[in-house]
Amino acid sequence: EAQVTQNPRYLITVTGKKLTVTCSQNMNHEYMSWYRQDPGLGLRQIYYSMNVEVTDKGDVPEGYKVSRKEKRNFPLILESPSPNQTSLYFCASSFQGSYEQYFGPGTRLTVT
Amino acid sequence: SQQGEEDPQALSIQEGENATMNCSYKTSINNLQWYRQNSGRGLVHLILIRSNEREKHSGRLRVTLDTSKKSSSLLITASRAADTASYFCATEGGTSYGKLTFGQGTILTVHP
Repeated sequence: EAQVTQNPRYLITVTGKKLTVTCSQNMNHEYMSWYRQDPGLGLRQIYYSMNVEVTDKGDVPEGYKVSRKEKRNFPLILESPSPNQTSLYFCASSFQGSYEQYFGPGTRLTVT
Repeated sequence: SQQGEEDPQALSIQEGENATMNCSYKTSINNLQWYRQNSGRGLVHLILIRSNEREKHSGRLRVTLDTSKKSSSLLITASRAADTASYFCATEGGTSYGKLTFGQGTILTVHP
């Protein structure tokens, strides 16, 4: 089944404790992206990647890191999480940029 | 930012009625996409319309794009209770391939 998977789905952590949210797609897509969704603010793009080893900042990249060493994986790294990073995070992929995106199920992160 | 703005923020209709949602944006685009989200779940792609297209159809969905007015509309005909969801427009900028900006969404409620 073609899909985008994210792990973990739910995470509660404390301020400053480094964490990684994994994202994997099995559709051989070149493009992958991370978003966060907050009430009243909609979805905002954090980082995106047009291909392996190519990443670009979205609208809200501060406090996040990404890497794209393999085509199928695009992990999101929070080196020192803060409470304002409490949010619902979505990973997405598409054939290329400028095509429809397939979204993962989301990761609900709470930073206390 | 060329964030899309959606109107109305919420829409409540009866089954069988048509639902129209509008999206406006600020700068030139490559394409505009519409997505649906069921309560806290991943987004599902509905339609992508490119800047040189004016109208697209997919089943009960009809999307129009007016680049002179920088606006788009999504029409859902003969609504069903299962159409209850949040609907988002997303734009990809003219020179920013892969950088997607979402509107804040329209919450559609279809009453049986």
